[in-house]
Amino acid sequence: KAGVTQTPRYLIKTRGQQVTLSCSPISGHRSVSWYQQTPGQGLQFLFEYFSETQRNKGNFPGRFSGRQFSNSRSEMNVSTLELGDSALYLCASSLRQGGGTDTQYFGPGTRLTVL
Amino acid sequence: GENVEQHPSTLSVQEGDSAVIKCTYSDSASNYFPWYKQELGKGPQLIIDIRSNVGEKKDQRIAVTLNKTAKHFSLHITETQPEDSAVYFCAATNNNAGNMLTFGGGTRLMVKP
Repeated sequence: KAGVTQTPRYLIKTRGQQVTLSCSPISGHRSVSWYQQTPGQGLQFLFEYFSETQRNKGNFPGRFSGRQFSNSRSEMNVSTLELGDSALYLCASSLRQGGGTDTQYFGPGTRLTVL
Repeated sequence: GENVEQHPSTLSVQEGDSAVIKCTYSDSASNYFPWYKQELGKGPQLIIDIRSNVGEKKDQRIAVTLNKTAKHFSLHITETQPEDSAVYFCAATNNNAGNMLTFGGGTRLMVKP
């Protein structure tokens, strides 16, 4: 099975712009979660989407948003980019067959640089 | 919310030695504890996980132990090899938080040949 794929792998934007990142989960996986990784804050949960609905949200401003499509692919959007948004954005997918916790598998990430 | 602390932040061992990384968590409701290995330029790779209904789990050279009373869990790597060099992250979550993993700060493991 192919793993989690993320596009693009690298992105350079300027302050004030917006950006959209894409994630395709492992085939058959129905949940997609997004994480931000920075040297200062480490790995932080952004949000999870399952059945096209946001299930959980981390402590990030409203500039960060996402959506999930009927084929489980997901996109996240960051509007009005700030320098501090420079980070590796990771997507993780899981089966979500029932309630409770789930094993998550990460993609390679999108490296976003804001100038 | 959950808080996970991880120690040490860096660990250097000789090839063939064992390495131990420790994590503590704050939320007694946490019941799922995965460990991830991240190599340069790659996303985190799941190496082992443990649920709160077991105290220990082993997979070849890797083992994880869980002490629910003390709220800490540890990763043990035996017979380390240079390819084990990477950053390792512990994480925790519970049924209510679902897939919202709270990560430790990471441990940079260096295995010297």
